[in-house]
Amino acid sequence: GDSVTQMEGPVTLSEEAFLTINCTYTATGYPSLFWYVQYPGEGLQLLLKATKADDKGSNKGFEATYRKETTSFHLEKGSVQVSDSAVYFCALSEYGGSNYKLTFGKGTLLTVNP
Amino acid sequence: SQTIHQWPATLVQPVGSPLSLECTVEGTSNPNLYWYRQAAGRGLQLLFYSVGIGQISSEVPQNLSASRPQDRQFILSSKKLLLSDSGFYLCAWSDPGAGNTIYFGEGSWLTVV
Repeated sequence: GDSVTQMEGPVTLSEEAFLTINCTYTATGYPSLFWYVQYPGEGLQLLLKATKADDKGSNKGFEATYRKETTSFHLEKGSVQVSDSAVYFCALSEYGGSNYKLTFGKGTLLTVNP
Repeated sequence: SQTIHQWPATLVQPVGSPLSLECTVEGTSNPNLYWYRQAAGRGLQLLFYSVGIGQISSEVPQNLSASRPQDRQFILSSKKLLLSDSGFYLCAWSDPGAGNTIYFGEGSWLTVV
């Protein structure tokens, strides 16, 4: 079955540091890939997505490139801010019979210190 | 634009009591609807999804049930809560005709005591 593996946290960085959160996946077909962010006490927000190989999703300074050859979708940001502190989830979506379903990684807690 | 709301936001319930969490979507029609659970320190688990009124698919056996009485309303229920039902419950929706992106509500914290 489908699965998503992302680096375990927690990750602690200083403000303006470079961020990478690794994500790899296994899928039976050709999935779409997503990063969601969960701020403390809130639901999940879509951060960015990519639907085909070599696509780059980007939003709020975050980027991730769909790498089919390495089955990866690593999240990067050049300069993190304290407000980026949150849990980040990598996910894939495949069509399964009657519906698209998301498979999530376990999440990576990011803490950015001033 | 589309919006999704779920309530209550926080709930503390005794073991053995019933549960009802409600979710509604506005600004779209015939959405796919989902209930996910996020247990403490763990990832998200899909509990139920629905592609239409009265159509419910269960992903995992459990103490919970779901219903879709109206096109944009999705309800998560239990007759008797267990301690293990504690967690963060997230309702979500997607537009079946516009791709596979799933959008989440604000979540409901359930603590069973």
